[in-house]
Amino acid sequence: DQQVKQNSPSLSVQEGRISILNCDYTNSMFDYFLWYKKYPAEGPTFLISISSIKDKNEDGRFTVFLNKSAKHLSLHIVPSQPGDSAVYFCAASGMSSGNTPLVFGKGTRLSVIA
Amino acid sequence: DTGVSQDPRHKITKRGQNVTFRCDPISEHNRLYWYRQTLGQGPEFLTYFQNEAQLEKSRLLSDRFSAERPKGSFSTLEIQRTEQGDSAMYLCASSTGPALQGYFGPGTRLTVT
Repeated sequence: DQQVKQNSPSLSVQEGRISILNCDYTNSMFDYFLWYKKYPAEGPTFLISISSIKDKNEDGRFTVFLNKSAKHLSLHIVPSQPGDSAVYFCAASGMSSGNTPLVFGKGTRLSVIA
Repeated sequence: DTGVSQDPRHKITKRGQNVTFRCDPISEHNRLYWYRQTLGQGPEFLTYFQNEAQLEKSRLLSDRFSAERPKGSFSTLEIQRTEQGDSAMYLCASSTGPALQGYFGPGTRLTVT
């Protein structure tokens, strides 16, 4: 049973435009969400996180939005750059319940076309 | 600070053999995690240490798997009697305290033939 779902395996965006990556979750105990970026032959790299007490968190070109009622979050990258081409993983945890191991989605491969 | 390192980066073994992987976390990080990633999937949690204590193990961690973290420093993950289904990328991550944005190593890719 997939508790964290990334329903789009891939996404292509032109350089300079907005990339929107989506993630849905089913476990209502999740209260902390993270996005990781992964290049081939490297481990995942942390990008940005959001706690369930917020609905938005911004860091430079990256913004994460959380809709708790819909159990949905999204990562916006503006403007998209060719170096952003990678696999993006959404992850979740029930931090307040003391459950720290992360549950990951299957990832979305982003291709930014110059 | 050179980040999380893992050794070896690649391992090819025959079914039935034992393999051991090593992870060296970032030096001041007291939490160490092992994850497994198969093709087309996200990383899946295997086990986690706080200092030298193994605090949680996933149901994915069968009896053939064992992990240690002596003295709360590096960690080893051993797989006994490997099976073809064990072929995957084994990722290690470390973090400080309750921080969840773990820093991942490059992974060890295991191929069981």
